[in-house]
Amino acid sequence: DAGITQSPRHKVTETGTPVTLRCHQTENHRYMYWYRQDPGHGLRLIHYSYGVKDTDKGEVSDGYSVSRSKTEDFLLTLESATSSQTSVYFCAISPIAAGYEQYFGPGTRLTVT
Amino acid sequence: GENVEQHPSTLSVQEGDSAVIKCTYSDSASNYFPWYKQELGKRPQLIIDIRSNVGEKKDQRIAVTLNKTAKHFSLHITETQPEDSAVYFCAAPSGNQFYFGTGTSLTVIP
Repeated sequence: DAGITQSPRHKVTETGTPVTLRCHQTENHRYMYWYRQDPGHGLRLIHYSYGVKDTDKGEVSDGYSVSRSKTEDFLLTLESATSSQTSVYFCAISPIAAGYEQYFGPGTRLTVT
Repeated sequence: GENVEQHPSTLSVQEGDSAVIKCTYSDSASNYFPWYKQELGKRPQLIIDIRSNVGEKKDQRIAVTLNKTAKHFSLHITETQPEDSAVYFCAAPSGNQFYFGTGTSLTVIP
């Protein structure tokens, strides 16, 4: 597996609380992505980054924000978690945008009660 | 953006039979089409990909075909084995993003 980790791996939180998920890579890849995976919906892009401090929205970005202050770290923040954000979150990295394999992290299972 | 449709959503085959999963896409500029396999509780992993200048690509028991005119591509698994049981996702790019199909749950019955 490519050098990509996610933390935490599991989290249970209450509605209305802030949550931050971390993605860390050791591959020095330029592109980093956050997806959520829900039954019947496959993988849907939340936000992605194309460089330090350069980010853009994906198709399901409402309620989420991201930050990338270093090449190796990409943070996903839920400012005020809702039950609809209960999901499995995957980070992915790639050296090239949308023209090359994406390497996925192990995932974070988030439950919002 | 891209609209990727994947069929079927579930597929059961007897061990040794073939399995075919199909995807269609909408962005005619798309030029790279990967297939990912996701085992239960694991991360998606690339199993094969194809670029738009090629019509077919094979890797042992797995093959992918691409029809750019019709905007569809398919995954073919021959001589299926129980370890092929997993969820398979297709994807197509648009801009800097990938759009994934909704997945096909393949079950290989021993």
